[in-house]
Amino acid sequence: QVQLQESGPGLVKPSETLSLTCAVSGYPISSGYYWGWIRQPPGKGLEWIGSIYHPGSTYYDPSLKSRVTISVDTSKNQFSLKLRSVTAADTAVYYCARHSAGGIPNYWGQGTLVTVSS
Amino acid sequence: QSVLTQPPSASGTPGQRVTISCSGSSSNMGSNTVNWYQQLPGTAPKLLIYSNNQRPSGVPDRFSGSKSGTSASLAISGLQSEDEADYYCAAWDDSLNGPVFGGGTKLTVL
Repeated sequence: QVQLQESGPGLVKPSETLSLTCAVSGYPISSGYYWGWIRQPPGKGLEWIGSIYHPGSTYYDPSLKSRVTISVDTSKNQFSLKLRSVTAADTAVYYCARHSAGGIPNYWGQGTLVTVSS
Repeated sequence: QSVLTQPPSASGTPGQRVTISCSGSSSNMGSNTVNWYQQLPGTAPKLLIYSNNQRPSGVPDRFSGSKSGTSASLAISGLQSEDEADYYCAAWDDSLNGPVFGGGTKLTVL
């Protein structure tokens, strides 16, 4: 059973970097599939941020590409998100998820709320 | 502004049949399959329909999906109170090289 669990600070100050980690259990990240981040601002819809395919192919939403980095740590079987220069508009529930090439996420973490505020 | 377009709300009474529409473009729904998620308050989205009309194990056959060109529909028959949730359509986008989503439809069971 594949399980994903997000972790990281729930509060980030404006202009700083949002950093989240997704711990994966039940499947080795290095064995395949795409591992991605999706966010949902309060009361709004789902937004894809980006995905990574080990060992290092990354794909980002063009509107966020200049601020985003997604990386993998196979030794810990986890992947991470860094979003730089955050503003209040980046306040959202952040989900990590697994999907196949050309496919949509079928395994999701429970989500973690990140608030950007001073 | 979401890439895929859905109505913001829908409603029905218990036992009724309701449909939710979703429209996209050639780079997403025009060339890839459509999928639907159900999201209950405070929880992660749950895959409800994949590959246009397939149900994962455990999803009641009251839920069905269809697609034609760059449009798709989710139908829920025999509406029940527990169906009250947000519903999202999703598809792979060949231009973005990633998944895209609709803005979500809030279903109210009257």
